[in-house]
Amino acid sequence: DGGITQSPKYLFRKEGQNVTLSCEQNLNHDAMYWYRQDPGQGLRLIYYSQIVNDFQKGDIAEGYSVSREKKESFPLTVTSAQKNPTAFYLCASSIVRIEDANYGYTFGSGTRLTVV
Amino acid sequence: KNQVEQSPQSLIILEGKNCTLQCNYTVSPFSNLRWYKQDTGRGPVSLTIMTFSENTKSNGRYTATLDADTKQSSLHITASQLSDSASYICVVSAPLRNKLTFGTGTQLKVEL
Repeated sequence: DGGITQSPKYLFRKEGQNVTLSCEQNLNHDAMYWYRQDPGQGLRLIYYSQIVNDFQKGDIAEGYSVSREKKESFPLTVTSAQKNPTAFYLCASSIVRIEDANYGYTFGSGTRLTVV
Repeated sequence: KNQVEQSPQSLIILEGKNCTLQCNYTVSPFSNLRWYKQDTGRGPVSLTIMTFSENTKSNGRYTATLDADTKQSSLHITASQLSDSASYICVVSAPLRNKLTFGTGTQLKVEL
């Protein structure tokens, strides 16, 4: 079945550590995204990539880093510079055709990161 | 500032009843409006996508409406089931750059 796989489902990080969240898709989508979800807030965009070896900062990129070495993979690293990393992280992918307004996003099942 | 506001924040209904969730937005220019269902601890799943020219779209027991003049949308759920218990998120898209603005969601609970 095609889809997006995020791992791990739960992740615990000690203060001062970097951690990497995995996101893999087999939908042949060009674009991939990372969002952060906090209680009572809408999803906020961290980073996005529309093509391999290229990515752009979203609205809350500080303290995060990404790479896009393969079309299928878009890992997110939460660095020690992120002061409040405890949140639910969602990866998504989409076809990128600007003239097609009906393209859909497919979301992964999320990773819950907790700082201990 | 582009915003998407949803109401009510939470809602409890009895199984079998209908309900309507509201979404008001100020995103401009506007490309399309989406409704997603998100179960607790899971990723959002798309219910409907409507472009500027569409007034209504259905997906089973879910019917979304859009009034682009007043910048309002609603999601109507018919004959609710326990499995409808979830957060329903309204998302508005601006043209180009795939820019999405997410609402904070309406938390729906369906009880026996």
